Amino acid sequence: EPEVTQTPSHQVTQMGQEVILRCVPISNHLYFYWYRQILGQKVEFLVSFYNNEISEKSEIFDDQFSVERPDGSNFTLKIRSTKLEDSAMYFCASSSAGLYSYEQYFGPGTRLTVT
Amino acid sequence: GEDVEQSLFLSVREGDSSVINCTYTDSSSTYLYWYKQEPGAGLQLLTYIFSNMDMKQDQRLTVLLNKKDKHLSLRIADTQTGDSAIYFCADAPRGTASKLTFGTGTRLQVTL
Repeated sequence: EPEVTQTPSHQVTQMGQEVILRCVPISNHLYFYWYRQILGQKVEFLVSFYNNEISEKSEIFDDQFSVERPDGSNFTLKIRSTKLEDSAMYFCASSSAGLYSYEQYFGPGTRLTVT
Repeated sequence: GEDVEQSLFLSVREGDSSVINCTYTDSSSTYLYWYKQEPGAGLQLLTYIFSNMDMKQDQRLTVLLNKKDKHLSLRIADTQTGDSAIYFCADAPRGTASKLTFGTGTRLQVTL
């Protein structure tokens, strides 16, 4: 069964460093999303992406964040200068176009630890 | 803003039914979802219901929606130890490819 994959599973970085979290969405999906979950808190929406541009973003998704689909399979989230409060589990999700576009399928997550 | 709330913990005996409840505030919600998260794993889409439905059944899972009270529930029949996980309720204000707003998650513990 097709699934969303994410790498790495765990990333440790120092405050101020740049990180890139990578996702491979399900192959025929056209909508892509990033969410995050700070330990003990709710899963929060960050950004959605369609047709090579951002569709929607939350207040959390400020200028230090960016997303990219560098090729036909990968979808990345870049954090330019990490802060301690960026430590969280980051989930990528994807959905197809058309009739089932409301079904969002999530990857296993990348745990980001900023020290 | 939108808010989705759930109770934090539920414990049931194996073989009993589990009922996990959720309330939401956004009256424009078009789809409401249940996701399951097992330890160390991602969010697994379990089921969802369109806002013009009252009930949806899928094998052991029954979703009930009371749109007037903005209340959603997930009933798991014949609960098994493999059902132990965190269950998240989520809503989508616009439905199609829109952001999901998640609840806090309910940890279901199944005891023998």
